[in-house]
Amino acid sequence: GDSVTQMEGPVTLSEEAFLTINCTYTATGYPSLFWYVQYPGEGLQLLLKATKADDKGSNKGFEATYRKETTSFHLEKGSVQVSDSAVYFCALSDGSGANNLFFGTGTRLTVIP
Amino acid sequence: NAGVTQTPKFQVLKTGQSMTLQCAQDMNHNSMYWYRQDPGMGLRLIYYSASEGTTDKGEVPNGYNVSRLNKREFSLRLESAAPSQTSVYFCASIRTSGYNEQFFGPGTRLTVL
Repeated sequence: GDSVTQMEGPVTLSEEAFLTINCTYTATGYPSLFWYVQYPGEGLQLLLKATKADDKGSNKGFEATYRKETTSFHLEKGSVQVSDSAVYFCALSDGSGANNLFFGTGTRLTVIP
Repeated sequence: NAGVTQTPKFQVLKTGQSMTLQCAQDMNHNSMYWYRQDPGMGLRLIYYSASEGTTDKGEVPNGYNVSRLNKREFSLRLESAAPSQTSVYFCASIRTSGYNEQFFGPGTRLTVL
């Protein structure tokens, strides 16, 4: 079945450091891929998405490219801020049925000043 | 526009007690979902409702029941709570199927003693 494997955390970085969180997926069809972010005490919010191979999703300085050949959707940001501290979830949807999402386990990022 | 709302925010139950978690959305979305979030396991789908009047099991439905009361509301019921149901519960909704964003509520933190 469909699944997502996500880099385990936690990750601790200094402000302005470069961030990469790895995500790979297994899917039978052509899924859409998502990164969601969860700030402390809140629900999940969509950070970015890509719906087909070679698409690049971007938002708030974060980027991820849908790589079909490596089945990956790694999240990157060139210069992290303290306000980026959160838990990041990679997810996929095959778009069929009720558009169910399959989530990775989440990666907790802490950015220190 | 409140988005997705959930009540209560926190709840403590004793083993064997029952309770209903409430979820409502004001975005006129067709599909609604209940997830549970456990440490190290990401989010797992409990039940979903693709449209008003329909419900289907997700990955972990045992011990739960749901009701899609109308287009706005989707409740989750624990008939006889068990410690294994200690978790954070999230409700989500989406307008239509396909590669669209799911909107999440703020969550309910449930502890079963």
